[in-house]
Amino acid sequence: DQQVKQNSPSLRVQEGRISILNCDYTNSMFDYFLWYKKYPAEGPTFLISISSIKDKNEDGRFTVFLNKSAKHLSLHIVPSQPGDSAVYFCAASAQGAQKLVFGQGTRLTINP
Amino acid sequence: GAVVSQHPSWVICKSGTSVKIECRSLDFQATTMFWYRQFPKQSLMLMATSNEGSKATYEQGVEKDKFLINHASLTLSTLTVTSAHPEDSSFYICSANTPSGGLLYNEQFFGPGTRLTVL
Repeated sequence: DQQVKQNSPSLRVQEGRISILNCDYTNSMFDYFLWYKKYPAEGPTFLISISSIKDKNEDGRFTVFLNKSAKHLSLHIVPSQPGDSAVYFCAASAQGAQKLVFGQGTRLTINP
Repeated sequence: GAVVSQHPSWVICKSGTSVKIECRSLDFQATTMFWYRQFPKQSLMLMATSNEGSKATYEQGVEKDKFLINHASLTLSTLTVTSAHPEDSSFYICSANTPSGGLLYNEQFFGPGTRLTVL
């Protein structure tokens, strides 16, 4: 049972354009969501998070949007840079629970 | 801040041997650490939650006698893969929880991972 889904395994975007990565979840108990970036043979690094009391959180070039009614979140990167090429995982947790549930990841490639 | 290290970064072993992987929080105390494994092109799958001074909590389907976890101090957790077999070959990643200064939610910071290859 995949509670967090990233339906696009890969995405290619031109440098300077906007990258939009999507994530859907099924568990209505999830109320905190995170995005991680991962390079090959390295651990994930935290990018940005959002709690369910918000619908948007922005940090520099990264913005996460949350649509609770649709159980959908997205990560916007603008402008995209070649260094953004990596695998992006969304993750979710429920209040009071420490563990995270990860999506399958989306490989983002930024073309120069 | 919030740096997590793992050792070794890669290991190759023979089938039937045991391998120990260390996870350390370098600049903070982690009451809780997590162990994940990742198969190629797949998601991170949580194996177990490790709490300092108590027994680890294993996810469904993870053999606790095969994957021994010890969280002896607030900065160190170890995962021992006992009697390793080729199907145990994977990328093992640990993470540590750091309370977000009074906020409700904790952030997890990940180690760089350990690539285990069992021949």
